[in-house]
Amino acid sequence: GENVEQHPSTLSVQEGDSAVIKCTYSDSASNYFPWYKQELGKGPQLIIDIRSNVGEKKDQRIAVTLNKTAKHFSLHITETQPEDSAVYFCAASMSGTSYDKVIFGPGTSLSVIP
Amino acid sequence: DVKVTQSSRYLVKRTGEKVFLECVQDMDHENMFWYRQDPGLGLRLIYFSYDVKMKEKGDIPEGYSVSREKKERFSLILESASTNQTSMYLCASTYRQGVYYEQYFGPGTRLTVT
Repeated sequence: GENVEQHPSTLSVQEGDSAVIKCTYSDSASNYFPWYKQELGKGPQLIIDIRSNVGEKKDQRIAVTLNKTAKHFSLHITETQPEDSAVYFCAASMSGTSYDKVIFGPGTSLSVIP
Repeated sequence: DVKVTQSSRYLVKRTGEKVFLECVQDMDHENMFWYRQDPGLGLRLIYFSYDVKMKEKGDIPEGYSVSREKKERFSLILESASTNQTSMYLCASTYRQGVYYEQYFGPGTRLTVT
């Protein structure tokens, strides 16, 4: 079945530096790749997503890239701030049917050191 | 704003008890999901529902059942709670954006079974 791998599992960066989280997926039919941020004590929140017909998407300090050939996608956070500290999950799904099934990566715990 | 609410943030139950976790969404979403989240394992799908009275098994349905009598409400039932069901339980609903579905999560219920 579909599998999503995510690296690294933990990441510490100095405030102001960039952070990169990488994911790979196994099902070439996947066409939608959301990223979630989960702060302590809260549910995951969708922060950005990318669809299979796009190679890159940017929203302020956050960018995602997708390489469909290699089945890789990545999250880039620039100018990190302490409030970026959280667990980040990548996911892959195959949408377009009446309902979807989202496969999540195991998560990356990001710590931004002031 | 999409709002997904869960009936309890923290719950402590004894082994063998029947446990009900309730989830309500206020955006008329068709699809609703129950996940459990454990350290190092990410989010694993227990059950999902794509319509009232419809349900589908996810990856780890054993020991759980669900009920969806109304579109806005999706309940997870632990028929006889066991200690290995101690976990964080997350409910989600999905919103269709064209052919893609965006998934929104509730705040989670941390269940401890003693």
